[in-house]
Amino acid sequence: QSVLTQPPSVSAAPGQKVTISCSGSSSNIGNNYVSWYQQLPGTAPKLLIYENNKRPSGIPDRFSGSKSGTSATLGITGLQTGDEADYYCGTWDSSLSDWVFGGGTKLTVL
Amino acid sequence: QVQLVQSGAEVKKPGASVKVSCKASGYTFTSYGISWVRQAPGQGLEWMGWISAYNGNTNYAQKLQGRVTMTTDTSTSTAYMELRSLRSDDTAVYYCARDRGAVAGPEYFQHWGQGTLVTVSS
Repeated sequence: QSVLTQPPSVSAAPGQKVTISCSGSSSNIGNNYVSWYQQLPGTAPKLLIYENNKRPSGIPDRFSGSKSGTSATLGITGLQTGDEADYYCGTWDSSLSDWVFGGGTKLTVL
Repeated sequence: QVQLVQSGAEVKKPGASVKVSCKASGYTFTSYGISWVRQAPGQGLEWMGWISAYNGNTNYAQKLQGRVTMTTDTSTSTAYMELRSLRSDDTAVYYCARDRGAVAGPEYFQHWGQGTLVTVSS
């Protein structure tokens, strides 16, 4: 059972938009920055979003992040088949003194 | 360009230890931290701990306290993760990642190694 809760799967058609939620508590998301990672099949994870809503260089603006209270959201617009991957949110948990990840969300582009 | 190159796959027996290396290049090693993350087969990501490449400070996951040790060799820009008393549920791909947090603790994971499969089996 992960400290951060993500939907196990989401799906949408090419060109559409999808959002992936990440729910936590005041000890983690509520008081710390959230980052998001994309893991394509058989590869290492890749940083998509850091400090809630910032994109590293090279990440297209189709990817966006937001945070409100104890929840965070990853948005992906203009879906492409190459976006099919597992997506993970993560943040520091001040009560556990551990970094925590969500359980991951599998994105299917139909 | 930033690269993190990890050591090769390992097969260990229960109760043994494993030490995985992560050689960094393309950046100033001591300006960042290194976090270690593992992923059991078909499972999600699990953070194992962080080490400052600047001063050697560490922060280990509560679950692994006492079994894991992280070190760095600044002369070769290499980080190491040793896990002791291996069990079958330690079978996983182990990743190192350059962490933006250089001194105070983990912040986020900017670049990742290719992963090292550690199999624990009798």
